[in-house]
Amino acid sequence: KAGVTQTPRYLIKTRGQQVTLSCSPISGHRSVSWYQQTPGQGLQFLFEYFSETQRNKGNFPGRFSGRQFSNSRSEMNVSTLELGDSALYLCASSETGRTDTQYFGPGTRLTVL
Amino acid sequence: AQSVTQPDIHITVSEGASLELRCNYSYGATPYLFWYVQSPGQGLQLLLKYFSGDTLVQGIKGFEAEFKRSQSSFNLRKPSVHWSDAAEYFCAVVSTGGGNKLTFGTGTQLKVEL
Repeated sequence: KAGVTQTPRYLIKTRGQQVTLSCSPISGHRSVSWYQQTPGQGLQFLFEYFSETQRNKGNFPGRFSGRQFSNSRSEMNVSTLELGDSALYLCASSETGRTDTQYFGPGTRLTVL
Repeated sequence: AQSVTQPDIHITVSEGASLELRCNYSYGATPYLFWYVQSPGQGLQLLLKYFSGDTLVQGIKGFEAEFKRSQSSFNLRKPSVHWSDAAEYFCAVVSTGGGNKLTFGTGTQLKVEL
């Protein structure tokens, strides 16, 4: 099976812009989670989607949003970008529940100038 | 709230030496614990996981971890380190409240001296 894929791999934006990142989970996986990784804050959970519904949400402002499509592919959107949003955004997929292993994609490196 | 602590930010070992990376968790019930490894510019790769049962868990690449409830620890070990093991290692726990949210430790950067 193909692994988790994320596009694009690298992105440069300026403050105030918005950005959309995409994640394609492993075939058959219905849960997709997003994480932000920064040197200062480490790995932080953004949100989880399961069967097109947000099942869990982390402590991020409303500028961060996401959605999941019927084929389990997911997108996350960040509006009104700030310098502090520069990070590696990781997507992970799993089959269904909390005992399932999450498999991570390579990430999207977002730089905000 | 659940939390994970990795006390060692950096560790340096010689190739061929043994390795132990520490992880302590705070969790009210039986935890689901994971160790992931991240190479530069890459995503996270699962090394091993503990859900229940045998407290000594075997993983990929010759790694193992031991769950000790009395010490709230889940330390990662490898008997003989290879230069290719140089990477950052993260311990994580699945949070309460349903869903599949992982809470990660701050990571331990492993350097291997040849």
